[in-house]
Amino acid sequence: NAGVTQTPKFRVLKTGQSMTLLCAQDMNHEYMYWYRQDPGMGLRLIHYSVGEGTTAKGEVPDGYNVSRLKKQNFLLGLESAAPSQTSVYFCASSYGLRANTGELFFGEGSRLTVL
Amino acid sequence: ELKVEQNPLFLSMQEGKNYTIYCNYSTTSDRLYWYRQDPGKSLESLFVLLSNGAVKQEGRLMASLDTKARLSTLHITAAVHDLSATYFCAVSSGSARQLTFGSGTQLTVLP
Repeated sequence: NAGVTQTPKFRVLKTGQSMTLLCAQDMNHEYMYWYRQDPGMGLRLIHYSVGEGTTAKGEVPDGYNVSRLKKQNFLLGLESAAPSQTSVYFCASSYGLRANTGELFFGEGSRLTVL
Repeated sequence: ELKVEQNPLFLSMQEGKNYTIYCNYSTTSDRLYWYRQDPGKSLESLFVLLSNGAVKQEGRLMASLDTKARLSTLHITAAVHDLSATYFCAVSSGSARQLTFGSGTQLTVLP
């Protein structure tokens, strides 16, 4: 049981380049989230999804797009990377309303550097 | 807008000592979570607190929730080096139960 898997783990981009981060979960979770973590700022929510085909904006959505074409996958895209998007990105998932706890399960993170 | 504040942000403590980390939040919520993160690693769930007055304990760590005061505490008893990590509290809100995180408390336990 892999849980939440993120690819790639590391990536270096030049300003203006595009890329996609992939998050896959094998727990049949309804809800999925993308967070970014910057030093001293905790984790901030970028976008989230409450089910296949749905997405919504979080706290810091600008410069990112997402898609949830399959229940198990949640993609985070950067169309034109900027140095301010240098960060560690975490994907998380949860059972959603079907569970009592609302606990999030996190992937191992993807470290992105934009030069 | 929900705000979550932790203090202290940095904590150095001697092995064997006790200390408490505080987590305050700004709007009503009855769900609070504590996570641990080791350097370069992911977040590991420690406690899920789902109601006012909830108290949970695991080893040397004990977490509690007071929803009326909008306050959670993480108490460390007789600290050991293995507890060195960054601890985050997070509060649930919104229709998707999205979590808003505090800035984290970086704990260093010194021999």
